[in-house]
Amino acid sequence: QKEVEQDPGPLSVPEGAIVSLNCTYSNSAFQYFMWYRQYSRKGPELLMYTYSSGNKEDGRFTAQVDKSSKYISLFIRDSQPSDSATYLCAMSGGAQKLVFGQGTRLTINP
Amino acid sequence: DTGVSQDPRHKITKRGQNVTFRCDPISEHNRLYWYRQTLGQGPEFLTYFQNEAQLEKSRLLSDRFSAERPKGSFSTLEIQRTEQGDSAMYLCASSPPGTGGYGYTFGSGTRLTVV
Repeated sequence: QKEVEQDPGPLSVPEGAIVSLNCTYSNSAFQYFMWYRQYSRKGPELLMYTYSSGNKEDGRFTAQVDKSSKYISLFIRDSQPSDSATYLCAMSGGAQKLVFGQGTRLTINP
Repeated sequence: DTGVSQDPRHKITKRGQNVTFRCDPISEHNRLYWYRQTLGQGPEFLTYFQNEAQLEKSRLLSDRFSAERPKGSFSTLEIQRTEQGDSAMYLCASSPPGTGGYGYTFGSGTRLTVV
């Protein structure tokens, strides 16, 4: 079993929809939870990070962490075609190494 | 500073050849990381440097792989006797001191194709 599980999709939604992306994990030592966006043939870019449990909002994006359930989510409101990309969750226990999920490929249809 | 730079962007090599990739981190970042990403998968950790010291290596980093970061600036990743299973995107990232796992900036990667 992988340390971090993420539904690979693909996920296709109409423009303006609310998108929900999720990851589960098994390592209770994880303290930092990140969401990265990766466009084709590019490196991942950090969207949001959360320390420990709780919610964090940044514009149209909301990240949620539930450590008791070992479950994290990313919500995208008013989705735009430019949001089409692969979304990767990543986690670390405070050390430097990140453990990534498989990535979810998202397409927003105009 | 324009971010993390990786060279080359794409490398095609024959099985059994040696290849070397270069990464130039953001200048004020003291930590440098190498990850490998295969198609449809998330990046997997290979190794990490703090300044010039290599502090952690993954079991994925077989004896054919070696990484260096002389003088704590740029880094190179060499793969000897390449195999078809080495075909992947090799990503470099750097981070400043005190940012833990959230301060990464990734480069655009080097895509290796072994034929």
